[in-house]
Amino acid sequence: KAGVTQTPRYLIKTRGQQVTLSCSPISGHRSVSWYQQTPGQGLQFLFEYFSETQRNKGNFPGRFSGRQFSNSRSEMNVSTLELGDSALYLCASSIPRGTGANVLTFGAGSRLTVL
Amino acid sequence: AQKITQTQPGMFVQEKEAVTLDCTYDTSDQSYGLFWYKQPSSGEMIFLIYQGSYDEQNATEGRYSLNFQKARKSANLVISASQLGDSAMYFCAMRELNAGGTSYGKLTFGQGTILTVHP
Repeated sequence: KAGVTQTPRYLIKTRGQQVTLSCSPISGHRSVSWYQQTPGQGLQFLFEYFSETQRNKGNFPGRFSGRQFSNSRSEMNVSTLELGDSALYLCASSIPRGTGANVLTFGAGSRLTVL
Repeated sequence: AQKITQTQPGMFVQEKEAVTLDCTYDTSDQSYGLFWYKQPSSGEMIFLIYQGSYDEQNATEGRYSLNFQKARKSANLVISASQLGDSAMYFCAMRELNAGGTSYGKLTFGQGTILTVHP
C-alpha cells in the first residue's frame, strides 16, 4: 500500500517568493497534518485538516496556510518567504480512529531552502 | 502547556547491545498518549511504539519497549540487540486527550536523540 507522498522533495526559493507543497495521504486516511522541522526549533505543528476543514492550527504567522481537497490531498502554502522558513516540511496522515493511539504516518518531507 | 524533554543529544551503543533513550514529559492532563518515532537520514518519520497514560503494562513492539513511569512522567525507549540500521534520530512525542476535544493530528515532539550504533 502506498505511503504518504510529498512533492516536491526539494526546492529552492528566494526571499519574498511563495511556495506550495503537496501531500497525498495514504488511501482511506482523512486527516492530514503538517509539521515544520528546523535544527533550532525542532518539530513544530503547523495545522491539521480533516474532511476539508482545518481542525487545529499551530503558532505560526498567517503567511502559512493550507487546505484539503475532497480526495483528502492537502496543500500548504507559505507566502512572502523569509530565510527562517528554510526547513523540512513533513506531512502526516491518519484515519483517524478517535483514540489516543491514533498513529500518524509521515511522508519523507519537502526540504525548502530560502536564499 | 505540554512539553517533552529529551536530555541526550547523542548516544552511542555497540551493535547487539541494549540502549535506553530518555524522555520526560510535562502535562496537566490525566489522559494522554506517548509515542516514539525514528527518523533516518532520509527524513521520513517512522512510528515505533505507543503508550497510553492509562495502560497498565509497558508497551513492547519487537526489539522496542517503553519503560513507562507515570509518577516520574518518564517514557524511556529501550532498544534491545541494537543493529547498525538503528542509527538514526529518535523522537519522543505526546498527544494530549482533552475532554473538550482532541486534535488527533497534533503531536508535541522532543528535541530528539541521535543514536549511533557501532559495529
